[in-house]
Amino acid sequence: GEDVEQSLFLSVREGDSSVINCTYTDSSSTYLYWYKQEPGAGLQLLTYIFSNMDMKQDQRLTVLLNKKDKHLSLRIADTQTGDSAIYFCADIGGKLIFGQGTTLQVKP
Amino acid sequence: DTEVTQTPKHLVMGMTNKKSLKCEQHMGHRAMYWYKQKAKKPPELMFVYSYEKLSINESVPSRFSPECPNSSLLNLHLHALQPEDSALYLCASSQASGGRGEQFFGPGTRLTVL
Repeated sequence: GEDVEQSLFLSVREGDSSVINCTYTDSSSTYLYWYKQEPGAGLQLLTYIFSNMDMKQDQRLTVLLNKKDKHLSLRIADTQTGDSAIYFCADIGGKLIFGQGTTLQVKP
Repeated sequence: DTEVTQTPKHLVMGMTNKKSLKCEQHMGHRAMYWYKQKAKKPPELMFVYSYEKLSINESVPSRFSPECPNSSLLNLHLHALQPEDSALYLCASSQASGGRGEQFFGPGTRLTVL
């Protein structure tokens, strides 16, 4: 079946860029999403990219999609302590399939 | 109104209790979802309602019973739960199901079963 994979943990210093990576297996994906979850909270939709795009930029967020390699990344520029959270990539192919989530730790 | 609300925020119940979780959205979305999330894990889909009809049941035990009274409301009725059912229960909605449109999530209900 469909699978979405992410690395589990990333630690960066405040002000640096963070890059969170994700791979997926479903070649029929139309949209790919990034969600953020802070401790004790629900999921917040951060951004998404349509499968015919290579890149999408939204303020400090840049999403890159390599459809050939089925690789998705989220770059957060000028990472702040408030960006500390779990980040899920998700693929929609009939239903939303989530990766395991990447815990981003931002050190002051 | 661009949010999904869920009540209660926290719920503690015994294994013999009957309780209900509620979810509401006023974005005109026609698909609504229940997810279960254990700590440090991704959400797992439980049920999907599309146009107020149950369209997906991910083999969820019958002690969980969903209900969609109208297009804005989604309930999850709980009965005879087990301690392993303790989790964060998330509701979401989207304009339509079937792979179109982003899903917007509520803040969740933290359920503890004693």
